[in-house]
Amino acid sequence: KQEVTQIPAALSVPEGENLVLNCSFTDSAIYNLQWFRQDPGKGLTSLLLIQSSQREQTSGRLNASLDKSSGRSTLYIAASQPGDSATYLCAVRGGYSTLTFGKGTMLLVSP
Amino acid sequence: EAQVTQNPRYLITVTGKKLTVTCSQNMNHEYMSWYRQDPGLGLRQIYYSMNVEVTDKGDVPEGYKVSRKEKRNFPLILESPSPNQTSLYFCASSWDSGSYEQYFGPGTRLTVT
Repeated sequence: KQEVTQIPAALSVPEGENLVLNCSFTDSAIYNLQWFRQDPGKGLTSLLLIQSSQREQTSGRLNASLDKSSGRSTLYIAASQPGDSATYLCAVRGGYSTLTFGKGTMLLVSP
Repeated sequence: EAQVTQNPRYLITVTGKKLTVTCSQNMNHEYMSWYRQDPGLGLRQIYYSMNVEVTDKGDVPEGYKVSRKEKRNFPLILESPSPNQTSLYFCASSWDSGSYEQYFGPGTRLTVT
């Protein structure tokens, strides 16, 4: 059964710092990996989707990488801002149409 | 505007009283699914649907039912809710079950007393 782990569980940084969030998964037979953002009490906003054949995707200050063979993905946030404060979730899409989520990294960016 | 909508957004009910949470998407997506989110457990898939009249169990289907009579709607039914079904529920949709990203609704916070 697929298991997704996100490290760290929480992270606090000052504004302007570059940071990396980590995601690892146990079964490398995936279709894709998706990073989401969740604000408190709100739904999930899709940030980046990486297909299994891709190595990375970029959107603005965000860059996500995927190393399928080692079961790892990273989300790089450049020049962090207070508005980036949220919980970041990693999810992998595998067989049987399932989407397995990690428990998330809670990010706080202080001014 | 492309979106997934859920109703109600908040619901407090009592044990055993049947309820339905509706989910609708306006993107003509084939794939829809339901998740629950609990502290310390993260998001877990309850049921999913590959297309009209095609549904299947996710990781935690016990105590839930779904139906997919129309492409845009995917209601979640709790025939006899229990307190352990108190949770935050999300509906999601995507073009298919593999390559495309999933879009999530705003969530329904359910409390069963």
